[in-house]
Amino acid sequence: QVQLQESGPGLVKPSETLSLTCTVSGGSIINYYWTWIRQPPGKRLEWIGSIYYTGTTRLNPSLTSRLTMSVDTSKNQFSLSVTSVTAADTAVYYCARDLRPHSDNWYYYWGQGTLVTVSA
Amino acid sequence: ETVVTQSPATLSVSPGDRATLSCRTSQSIGSALAWYQHRPGLPPRLVIYEASTRAIGIPARFSGSGSGTEFTLTINGLQSEDFAVYYCEQYSIYLPWTFGQGTKVEIK
Repeated sequence: QVQLQESGPGLVKPSETLSLTCTVSGGSIINYYWTWIRQPPGKRLEWIGSIYYTGTTRLNPSLTSRLTMSVDTSKNQFSLSVTSVTAADTAVYYCARDLRPHSDNWYYYWGQGTLVTVSA
Repeated sequence: ETVVTQSPATLSVSPGDRATLSCRTSQSIGSALAWYQHRPGLPPRLVIYEASTRAIGIPARFSGSGSGTEFTLTINGLQSEDFAVYYCEQYSIYLPWTFGQGTKVEIK
């Protein structure tokens, strides 16, 4: 059974960089897109972007200028960085995956989520 | 960006009754719509994809319908574990994928 687990700091200062990693277990990172989704408190889910195991990315245009995604196939991990954070970036961040290889549409596998708070 | 609007915001239903949730998109998306169940403290759980296909492990009391811009999630014979917030997600041609604001199904 595929499992995803987010890790990273729970508190980030304004204007600094938020960095998260998702570790995949129970399956290979190869042949799949890997996705980040977040949910600010009291708001709807927001699709941040996805990275294919080859490193190709698909990013939310509203966040592109501040996003970096990477994948490490040797560690079965993928990562997200968001620069110049503000309070608006405070959210529960989820990593997720489509059930099917080579597909990035609907998400069957999810991490438990990690709350990241932006505050001085 | 395709805007997704769900209604109602809250639905009060008695256990054993039917719940009908609506999702509307700002442009036609064919059948590129998924539904998720979100309970407190847990990650979202995929319920329906391609507008009407139940995900693995989802009971038959859940059904999805619709195409184009109007979609419906129906839950028949609501059970205690079904009370949650439900989100729809569109994944049509153009990024970003977007979610609705959610419908909370609460016990009446």
